[in-house]
Amino acid sequence: GAVVSQHPSRVICKSGTSVKIECRSLDFQATTMFWYRQFPKKSLMLMATSNEGSKATYEQGVEKDKFLINHASLTLSTLTVTSAHPEDSSFYICSASVTDTDTQYFGPGTRLTVL
Amino acid sequence: GEDVEQSLFLSVREGDSSVINCTYTDSSSTYLYWYKQEPGAGLQLLTYIFSNMDMKQDQRLTVLLNKKDKHLSLRIADTQTGDSAIYFCAAQVGDSSYKLIFGSGTRLLVRP
Repeated sequence: GAVVSQHPSRVICKSGTSVKIECRSLDFQATTMFWYRQFPKKSLMLMATSNEGSKATYEQGVEKDKFLINHASLTLSTLTVTSAHPEDSSFYICSASVTDTDTQYFGPGTRLTVL
Repeated sequence: GEDVEQSLFLSVREGDSSVINCTYTDSSSTYLYWYKQEPGAGLQLLTYIFSNMDMKQDQRLTVLLNKKDKHLSLRIADTQTGDSAIYFCAAQVGDSSYKLIFGSGTRLLVRP
């Protein structure tokens, strides 16, 4: 149980385009989903927290207009990187929990490369 | 704010025990977690410990918590080559927050 999927697993895009990453909880309903970014050989940095049906809460320093998060249902959250630039290249990982204080289960990650 | 630190690298021989250490700064953290990340993959929850516990054992994994020193360790018994990965310690921020602060990760290399 507690499986979280992400799609796509890898994406390469041109600078200036937008990319959407999906995060799904497959066998449970996730009230809260989290989006992290991981730089090479570095730890995970929390970008934002999304609760189903409400606006995401962004961490300090994360541009909400650049990283659009939608949590439309209890099993799906999306992260859209708008007008992507090479510095946005990174490994993006989502996690999901039943409530906002419960254990987080992580997706397999999406590697974004912006050319 | 909360800060979590880990040593960067550990190398052990197959069959030996591995001990990965972690320190954190927020004494009010209620839950502390250990996650495993294999190359190119997401994080797999290994185990967690509640702050009022000193020890938790789960098959080959033993977590020790010294709350006074804010020190957490993960012991892997009979380490196998498949245990080679990066291990992240994570601390819940405060006693009622959903936020996790991650350490930098410890790369465990298991030599045959």
